[in-house]
Amino acid sequence: GAVVSQHPSRVICKSGTSVKIECRSLDFQATTMFWYRQFPKQSLMLMATSNEGSKATYEQGVEKDKFLINHASLTLSTLTVTSAHPEDSSFYICSALDPAHYEQYFGPGTRLTVT
Amino acid sequence: DQQVKQNSPSLSVQEGRISILNCDYTNSMFDYFLWYKKYPAEGPTFLISISSIKDKNEDGRFTVFLNKSAKHLSLHIVPSQPGDSAVYFCAASGTYKYIFGTGTRLKVLA
Repeated sequence: GAVVSQHPSRVICKSGTSVKIECRSLDFQATTMFWYRQFPKQSLMLMATSNEGSKATYEQGVEKDKFLINHASLTLSTLTVTSAHPEDSSFYICSALDPAHYEQYFGPGTRLTVT
Repeated sequence: DQQVKQNSPSLSVQEGRISILNCDYTNSMFDYFLWYKKYPAEGPTFLISISSIKDKNEDGRFTVFLNKSAKHLSLHIVPSQPGDSAVYFCAASGTYKYIFGTGTRLKVLA
């Protein structure tokens, strides 16, 4: 299947700092990418839909000023958690929509820990 | 409001037997359903999918059944293997967005 990478795989940051997570589609161009977060023992919750060249669409309850999404190219979307707090600690997963097959391919996830 | 539900948080099955994981949904607009397998600290891995125009799809040891009238789908794994131990998520889609269930932790006992 198609490959989607995320970087970093793990990050620990101090409260109040910002963290950027990258999501790349490695073998197809993705005009649409998605960002999810998963709390322990819970489901994957869609945070936002990232559209190349336009503003992201956020799900209800997700603060767009806190979770900044940039999709500047067809293979890269970034999620920046601004002014991180311990409650932002979570597992963040991106996916990329393959337009040829209309399938989503998931990245390996990024574990964020805010101390 | 949980549109996709997996009511069994965990399931234990003996190796070689059948594992049946269940999923219920509420939105009749969903027309595409998927099952993913997930290990801790990894992204989900696609297993099998089914379109609403079908009621069964099979791929090797994995079979997904869809009952549209009951808004219910299930994943059958047979025979179950210890390597199948993981958390399984069902997902439903009406557009390109996926709505995930809460997951079922499957443990296959050797």
